[in-house]
Formats: sequence, C-alpha cells, structure tokens
Amino acid sequence: QKEVEQNSGPLSVPEGAIASLNCTYSDRVSQSFFWYRQYSGKSPELIMSIYSNGDKEDGRFTAQLNKASQYVSLLIRDSQPSDSATYLCAVSLQSGYSGGGADGLTFGKGTHLIIQP
Amino acid sequence: DTAVSQTPKYLVTQMGNDKSIKCEQNLGHDTMYWYKQDSKKFLKIMFSYNNKELIINETVPNRFSPKSPDKAHLNLHINSLELGDSAVYFCASSQARGGRAPYEQYFGPGTRLTVT
Repeated sequence: QKEVEQNSGPLSVPEGAIASLNCTYSDRVSQSFFWYRQYSGKSPELIMSIYSNGDKEDGRFTAQLNKASQYVSLLIRDSQPSDSATYLCAVSLQSGYSGGGADGLTFGKGTHLIIQP
Repeated sequence: DTAVSQTPKYLVTQMGNDKSIKCEQNLGHDTMYWYKQDSKKFLKIMFSYNNKELIINETVPNRFSPKSPDKAHLNLHINSLELGDSAVYFCASSQARGGRAPYEQYFGPGTRLTVT
C-alpha cells in the first residue's frame, strides 16, 4: 500500500517568513514527486515537480527531494497571505521517461497553511 | 482557453440514478485520469487511461466506468448512485511519454456530486 504522509496542520507562518512543508512516502521505488496547491472549493494547482535528489527552485518556491530518506519538502520564501491554502504532496511510480501507461498520483492528505498578515 | 474542463460543475441526484460527468482537455495530452476527493478532502486516484491501457484502482466499485470517445475526452459514468458517492470528482491529464514536463498532471475544475 503506497502511502504519503503530511502533517495536516494548520501551519501558521507570519507574512514574509519562510514556510516549510514536509512530506514522507512509503514506496521506495517512487520516481516522480509533485506539490500542488489547493484553495478551498478549487481544484489542485501544480506548483512544483521534482524527479532527482537535491533542490529545485522556481521563484519563491523550492522543492527538496531526498530519496534515501523518502522525504520531500517545499519551501515558500517571502510568504504572502495569498499563499494561504492546502498544499498537497503527490508521488508517482513513473519516471516520466519510460513507456507504457501512466500511474495515477498518490496524494497525501495535505497541509493547511495559514500566512498571518 | 481552458486546459481541462468538466461538465457539469454541480450535480445533485437521487440514490439509484445513473449519471455521467464529462471531461475534455485541449493540452494534447495522451493520458487522462479521474480522481475522487471525499468530504475529508482526501484526493484518491480512480482511473488512469490512455489509448492503450486502462488502469483501475482496485477499490473503485464496478458501478463506475470511464468511457473515452477520443484522446481528448474521458467521461465518467456512474450507475446506481449511492450516498457514499457524494464527493468532488476531478479530471486530470498528462503527457505520459517523455515531453518537457512528463507526468505533470493538470486538473479540471471539479464536479461536486451530491447524492440524496
């Protein structure tokens, strides 16, 4: 049974600070890792994807992956009130470059992030 | 120019009815998915489908069936609706073979199904 674990929160961070979101996964052969943001009543919105160990930066967002520890994190710098949302960690067995059909994503239950003005 | 669209946005129906939800993507992707988000906001894969392979999550009742008229569409048909089917259903799509951003899935706006 593939599992993805996240602290449900709420995680409260002051505006302008760094928000740190964490995720662990159980299936060691997982290959692809994603962070989605979901506002209440809306659909998940892809923020970051990461496939190899290390850091990947995109604007104010940094994703970090450690496959040995089966750990993925998302850092949000200069947090803004508009960043307040639920952040979903998702993993896939697919490497992205192999053929065949696509595995669905396994999601964590999400971390509710609140940025305090 | 919506990338992934779903209809209807809201669906209220009675137990025992049969209903369908439609999904269309204009991203040129070759794989589409259906996810269910329950009342606790837990998002779970139901199906993934491309023109060669249907992968069914084993926990999905056989009352649920995906139907794909072409690569850009994947509809979800539900027979004999039950109270527990009430949830938000999301369609998503991705490019399963290579590409600049492989396996990144993009979600539609969701269909809120309420069974009374």
